[in-house]
Amino acid sequence: DIHMTQSPSSLSASVGDRVTITCRAGQDITNAVAWLQLKPGKAPKLLIYAPSTIQSGVPSRFSGSGSGTDYTLTISSLQPEDFATYYCQEFYTIPYTFGQGTKLEIK
Amino acid sequence: QVELVESGGDVVQPGRSLRLSCAASGFRLSDFVIHWVRQAPGGGLEWVALISYDEADKRYADSVKGRFSLSRDNSKNTVFLHMDNLRLEDTSIYYCARDSDPGMLRGRLDPWGPGTLVTVSS
Repeated sequence: DIHMTQSPSSLSASVGDRVTITCRAGQDITNAVAWLQLKPGKAPKLLIYAPSTIQSGVPSRFSGSGSGTDYTLTISSLQPEDFATYYCQEFYTIPYTFGQGTKLEIK
Repeated sequence: QVELVESGGDVVQPGRSLRLSCAASGFRLSDFVIHWVRQAPGGGLEWVALISYDEADKRYADSVKGRFSLSRDNSKNTVFLHMDNLRLEDTSIYYCARDSDPGMLRGRLDPWGPGTLVTVSS
């Protein structure tokens, strides 16, 4: 199984801040990475994949980058609705694996 | 509107069985690979299983292999996750999710359902 190391595990930020979350894969996953947003009681949401394609309906303040083993999710200007938990996921090989999650909290 | 909704979650004793359902609306479930992913309380996400659009390909995480199985009823636009010999560590929210492209296994999961809670407790 591919191990995905995500950091930070938690992040405190303010509305309007720029934040970055990183994910390192245990091997080259050739851009087969996705970023998900989870909020309690709601369906998880696919934001970005492969590694910079933004899913339809996702605001443009979300962006992704990276290659090889290292990938990044950036939120350019935090909005109140962005406070949630974010996960990276590799879809290079089954079983798909996820990072440990980053909880984004309001400062 | 494309949507998935899980149901069937319950509180069960260790060793018992449970069947979860994943019902689709707004699209034909039989055209897509469907995945199950779970999240233990306070924990991260774990991929559990997938079933191909034609039911020919079913794959399972090692943690559930031999205990969980998948089936689908295309007439009801529903996929089922059959869980046998449940263990305490199977306690999780169980999500179903659609693979992105019809007829293909891409691994990009969208949309997801809101999940159903399975609690295994004596």
